[in-house]
Amino acid sequence: EAGVTQFPSHSVIEKGQTVTLRCDPISGHDNLYWYRRVMGKEIKFLLHFVKESKQDESGMPNNRFLAERTGGTYSTLKVQPAELEDSGVYFCASSQRVYQSTQYFGPGTRLTVT
Amino acid sequence: QQQVKQSPQSLIVQKGGISIINCAYENTAFDYFPWYQQFPGKGPALLIAIRPDVSEKKEGRFTISFNKSAKQFSLHIMDSQPGDSATYFCAAPASRNYGGSQGNLIFGKGTKLSVKP
Repeated sequence: EAGVTQFPSHSVIEKGQTVTLRCDPISGHDNLYWYRRVMGKEIKFLLHFVKESKQDESGMPNNRFLAERTGGTYSTLKVQPAELEDSGVYFCASSQRVYQSTQYFGPGTRLTVT
Repeated sequence: QQQVKQSPQSLIVQKGGISIINCAYENTAFDYFPWYQQFPGKGPALLIAIRPDVSEKKEGRFTISFNKSAKQFSLHIMDSQPGDSATYFCAAPASRNYGGSQGNLIFGKGTKLSVKP
């Protein structure tokens, strides 16, 4: 069974540019989460999809971040325009259920904004 | 804002020794406490998790101890090996009281474990 995949693995962009991150969850997992880890800090929740619907986006930093999940399959996270403080590692995770269900993480996308 | 407090930040242990990492949480939506292990360049991978009905869970050399009244849980790695060198994260489900979705996890800041040969 394929795990959670993310693309790209690393992205370096200039301040003001746009970047789109992609996540492919484990097949059959309705729940998809985005998290971010800024250097030296904890992994922080951004948002949660159940199928194609946004269940909770309370962790999104601001309206420069836009997440979508097409047809309840893969998800994209767009940052537009990127700022220096957006640098970090963005993780995607998926799970079958919400309660007491393992969240499987992807390898992450390291975003560097210069 | 809900927090999970994890300590120590870093830990150096000799091969064969016991590694202990502690976490304290606030209110949670439900009792489910996973520990994740992360190697450089990889995503966090579930190591072991404990659910509400037990105070301890053991899988091989890894044991979670859970104290519900104190809102604390800890990871013990027995007979630590150099291959255990990684960053370890504890986590707890977000609480409704903090506006959590009941699904997302609140993570500790991580413990970087180094096991010396």
